[in-house]
Amino acid sequence: AQSVTQLDSQVPVFEEAPVELRCNYSSSVSVYLFWYVQYPNQGLQLLLKYLSGSTLVESINGFEAEFNKSQTSFHLRKPSVHISDTAEYFCAVRKNSGGYQKVTFGTGTKLQVIP
Amino acid sequence: DTAVSQTPKYLVTQMGNDKSIKCEQNLGHDTMYWYKQDSKKFLKIMFSYNNKELIINETVPNRFSPKSPDKAHLNLHINSLELGDSAVYFCASSHGTGDTEAFFGQGTRLTVV
Repeated sequence: AQSVTQLDSQVPVFEEAPVELRCNYSSSVSVYLFWYVQYPNQGLQLLLKYLSGSTLVESINGFEAEFNKSQTSFHLRKPSVHISDTAEYFCAVRKNSGGYQKVTFGTGTKLQVIP
Repeated sequence: DTAVSQTPKYLVTQMGNDKSIKCEQNLGHDTMYWYKQDSKKFLKIMFSYNNKELIINETVPNRFSPKSPDKAHLNLHINSLELGDSAVYFCASSHGTGDTEAFFGQGTRLTVV
């Protein structure tokens, strides 16, 4: 079985301050990890992903996440947030089974950037 | 061009009605999904099809019936709609194998009154 836990449902942070959104997963097999962002009234967009290789992955808009196998975590960080980063962020875990994939999402963290 | 498109974007209907949501992807993916996002933003997979074949069927009432006429389309038909069916339904697609992510549509906000 696999599950994804996002400990914080809401994270308020002032503009230009750093932020960390936490994600922990549980799985008995190797997984692939993703962060998706959902802006108001929109669908989900991939922010970044960890498949293999370097445990630190980055997005084009300044976010990064580090895969920590020993702590089964994939926390999302940004050193300086902008107003435009206000959105819902979902951590997701994908497990390959029998040649197809199943993606399980966390409950989401709402990032509120305060001017 | 929209990669994964859903219609309609909004759907308001009365209890007991039957409705359909359509989804199309032009990415050449062979796997498509339906997710339900409730009022608390929780995302739960409902169905997954690979090359028109059902591969994931979570515990969903049998009032929900997916149909995949070809691998680029996955429609969702809902019979006898209930108040609890109100949610945002997302269609997504990906390659069935390989290291790729899922691409999501914009969602269909279903409101049952």
